[in-house]
Amino acid sequence: GQNIDQPTEMTATEGAIVQINCTYQTSGFNGLFWYQQHAGEAPTFLSYNVLDGLEEKGRFSSFLSRSKGYSYLLLKELQMKDSASYLCAVKDSNYQLIWGAGTKLIIKP
Amino acid sequence: ETGVTQTPRHLVMGMTNKKSLKCEQHLGHNAMYWYKQSAKKPLELMFVYNFKEQTENNSVPSRFSPECPNSSHLFLHLHTLQPEDSALYLCASSQEASGAPETQYFGPGTRLLVL
Repeated sequence: GQNIDQPTEMTATEGAIVQINCTYQTSGFNGLFWYQQHAGEAPTFLSYNVLDGLEEKGRFSSFLSRSKGYSYLLLKELQMKDSASYLCAVKDSNYQLIWGAGTKLIIKP
Repeated sequence: ETGVTQTPRHLVMGMTNKKSLKCEQHLGHNAMYWYKQSAKKPLELMFVYNFKEQTENNSVPSRFSPECPNSSHLFLHLHTLQPEDSALYLCASSQEASGAPETQYFGPGTRLLVL
């Protein structure tokens, strides 16, 4: 079966750095997405990785290792508004998105 | 600001009611999706429409009935639902091209409670 694993919940301090991991087992791979979802709101696109390595976009970076079936989302200089759920999703060989359950990130002052 | 809108945002219905959820995308996309999101579970893909044709139906019970009259509008008709159908229903759209994993853009969702 296809599976995406990510931690259920993480806590971090304002101004710090946090890394949210995602491991996947899918039938094929056609890219990995990270989305942010604030409570009661729509998921919004954060990043897309299809090749190995690090993609940096401001305070957020996303890393991919296809050989290890592993990705992480790195958030720097955390702000209170970063409190949200972070969803990892992989497009399989049929270009269907397989979703993780999301990681709820709690930022404390 | 989102290019995908959904109405209503909240809905409470009894098990014998019939209601419809509406989704509209203003992004010129050619694919639209219905997802179910339950607490602490992965997003569950329900239906996919590509160029107004339904291409996916992931074993969804017949009490959920989708309709896609054009590439900008998507409906989810609900009837005789069960309490376990209570969830957040999300609509999304994307511009699908052959062999290209395009980004999906989501609406704010309809929070459904079935009593």
